[in-house]
Amino acid sequence: SAVISQKPSRDICQRGTSLTIQCQVDSQVTMMFWYRQQPGQSLTLIATANQGSEATYESGFVIDKFPISRPNLTFSTLTVSNMSPEDSSIYLCSAFTGDSYNEQFFGPGTRLTVL
Amino acid sequence: GESVGLHLPTLSVQEGDNSIINCAYSNSASDYFIWYKQESGKGPQFIIDIRSNMDKRQGQRVTVLLNKTVKHLSLQIAATQPGDSAVYFCAEPAQAGTALIFGKGTTLSVSS
Repeated sequence: SAVISQKPSRDICQRGTSLTIQCQVDSQVTMMFWYRQQPGQSLTLIATANQGSEATYESGFVIDKFPISRPNLTFSTLTVSNMSPEDSSIYLCSAFTGDSYNEQFFGPGTRLTVL
Repeated sequence: GESVGLHLPTLSVQEGDNSIINCAYSNSASDYFIWYKQESGKGPQFIIDIRSNMDKRQGQRVTVLLNKTVKHLSLQIAATQPGDSAVYFCAEPAQAGTALIFGKGTTLSVSS
């Protein structure tokens, strides 16, 4: 198994500012992903964080708004840029520690509120 | 396109009852499904999975049934306990070995 931690666990931010969320895995992993979960909703994939190259974004998400870094096999960051109230969500990272989906683990999430 | 969804947003049961949570999918080519449990303030946690070459798979107190004819799967929880209270999602990979597409989720509330 893997333990995934995220920082911060929650934050309240002002419109127009940016927030960087950190995701740390306690072991090296092959793939890392970032999801968004709006209040009372399901999870939506933002992007795949690729180690050593640019992230792969899903439709509706762009690098200028959600820049992602993955400098090594245990760490990734997601920045929510130029925030608006519509960005208020829970942001979760996940990681594969092996080849099976029972080896995919999720972090506890970062609860973001934008005023 | 691919999508998974759930029939009911909420389910309330008494402790000790059996719970059934449903999920419908649209892509007949989908061949792998996973059920996740998300407790308040936590990330989703893997419960059980099933491949399309199976109709049924059992775990500890949980059973997943897959009906490919009507593109429906269900999660059955036996002897539901208060600790089972959570949101349950079905999910499938967008592509093999990639990120997941999640259904809308069912909130299970267990009263004692």
